[in-house]
Amino acid sequence: ETGVTQTPRHLVMGMTNKKSLKCEQHLGHNAMYWYKQSAKKPLELMFVYNFKEQTENNSVPSRFSPECPNSSHLFLHLHTLQPEDSALYLCASSQALAGGDTQYFGPGTRLTVL
Amino acid sequence: AQSVSQHNHHVILSEAASLELGCNYSYGGTVNLFWYVQYPGQHLQLLLKYFSGDPLVKGIKGFEAEFIKSKFSFNLRKPSVQWSDTAEYFCAVNAPGGGADGLTFGKGTHLIIQP
Repeated sequence: ETGVTQTPRHLVMGMTNKKSLKCEQHLGHNAMYWYKQSAKKPLELMFVYNFKEQTENNSVPSRFSPECPNSSHLFLHLHTLQPEDSALYLCASSQALAGGDTQYFGPGTRLTVL
Repeated sequence: AQSVSQHNHHVILSEAASLELGCNYSYGGTVNLFWYVQYPGQHLQLLLKYFSGDPLVKGIKGFEAEFIKSKFSFNLRKPSVQWSDTAEYFCAVNAPGGGADGLTFGKGTHLIIQP
């Protein structure tokens, strides 16, 4: 356990569905991140939040919509996804955005888009 | 933007063999460097990191890595591997002055240790 939890662990959805991924960190951190891990590709940074404010959107399509209501919770709202969006979505947190801070990762949500 | 290259995608070793996994990054400014490990069925966890000071850093489970600035490298080493080291290893970089707040990862190296 890293102190970062993600739900659900597995999700299957159709292209017309709307679903949300949830991440919660119990570490008292101020920065939270969404990453995408696809087969045969490097982990890709999607979004960064610091003190609930989005500081980075790494050219992610608008069908992915993040939400950070407080420093402990991060959501990723999904709608009209494509099959190529099937991947492992990882959430991470760190004490601050300072580059040397360790990021702690959750177990991920395995998403399959049919 | 920075990028990370891991040269070996699959490595198979016998127990007690020495290990070196290559990692090169492309960014000319100050960097923070990380090695993460993902054991089968587990989450990503930090193995070691470099952000300043001694370029030879020691991590958990007997791993170490050396930052060589002139070569833009941060290779991971272990003198004698064990079966339990079987895992996926990821090199990552963060460039504080590079405009990105998150980590840029390499593609990973799948390490298999044979008993």
